[in-house]
Amino acid sequence: QSALTQPASVSGSPGQSITISCTGTSSDIGRYNFVSWYQQHPGKAPKLMIYEVSKRPSGVSNRFSGSKSGNTASLTISGLQAEDEADYYCCSYEGSISYVFGTGTEVTVL
Amino acid sequence: EVQLVQSGAEVKKPGESLKISCKGSGYSFSNYWIGWVRQMPGKGLEWMGIIYPGDSDTRYSPSFRGQVTISADKSITTAYVQWSSLEASDTAIYYCARLTYSGTNPTNFDYWGQGTLLTVSS
Repeated sequence: QSALTQPASVSGSPGQSITISCTGTSSDIGRYNFVSWYQQHPGKAPKLMIYEVSKRPSGVSNRFSGSKSGNTASLTISGLQAEDEADYYCCSYEGSISYVFGTGTEVTVL
Repeated sequence: EVQLVQSGAEVKKPGESLKISCKGSGYSFSNYWIGWVRQMPGKGLEWMGIIYPGDSDTRYSPSFRGQVTISADKSITTAYVQWSSLEASDTAIYYCARLTYSGTNPTNFDYWGQGTLLTVSS
C-alpha cells in the first residue's frame, strides 16, 4: 500500500488552468472508479472537492473537474483564483474498505 | 447538520498512553464507517484505518496495524483511536472522517472532524 504519486507543486497565473496528476496502480486507481480529491488550506481540515473520479459535491465550484485514464487520475482547476491556493490530495479505494492517499500537491497562484 | 467534533489538543510524554475521540452528530452514526487520517508536521495525509460503529468491524492500514487501536461506542456516537505507548514520531494532527456511499459502494470521505493535534515530547 504505497502512497499514490502526485507532483509536489503546480503553479499558474490567475485565470489559467492547471492539472494535477495522481498515479497509482492496477490495484487501486486502475481497478476502481472511487477516486476522490481533497483541498486543504493551511491549518484547516481537508475538504472534499471531487468524488467517484469526476463528480462534484454540492457547493463546489464547477471550475474543478476530475478524470481518469488507466492508473492515473487528474484534477483540473480552470479559471484559477487566489482562493484555490492550497494543498490537494487524491485518494483511491483499494478494496476491502481500505484507502490510500496521494503524496499531495501544493498549488500556487502566481 | 452532519458534524464530527474531535477532542482537544494533547501534550504527552513518550511511553504514555492516550485515547482521542471523534463525536458524530446529525446522522445515523451506526450506519457509516468512520476513518482516521494522520498528518505529520508539514507532511501529507495518511490513511490509518476505519471502523463501522454498527458492529465494530475495523480495518487497518498495514502501516498502522499494531501501532494504534481504533474503536467506537455507538451508544454515545463516538469513535476513538488509542495508543498504549506513545513515541515522539506519533506527533501529528489526527483527523476523523465519515465514509459515504454510492448505493452499496464506499466512495469518499464527505465530512471531516476539525483535527486533534498530538504532541509527544519529553
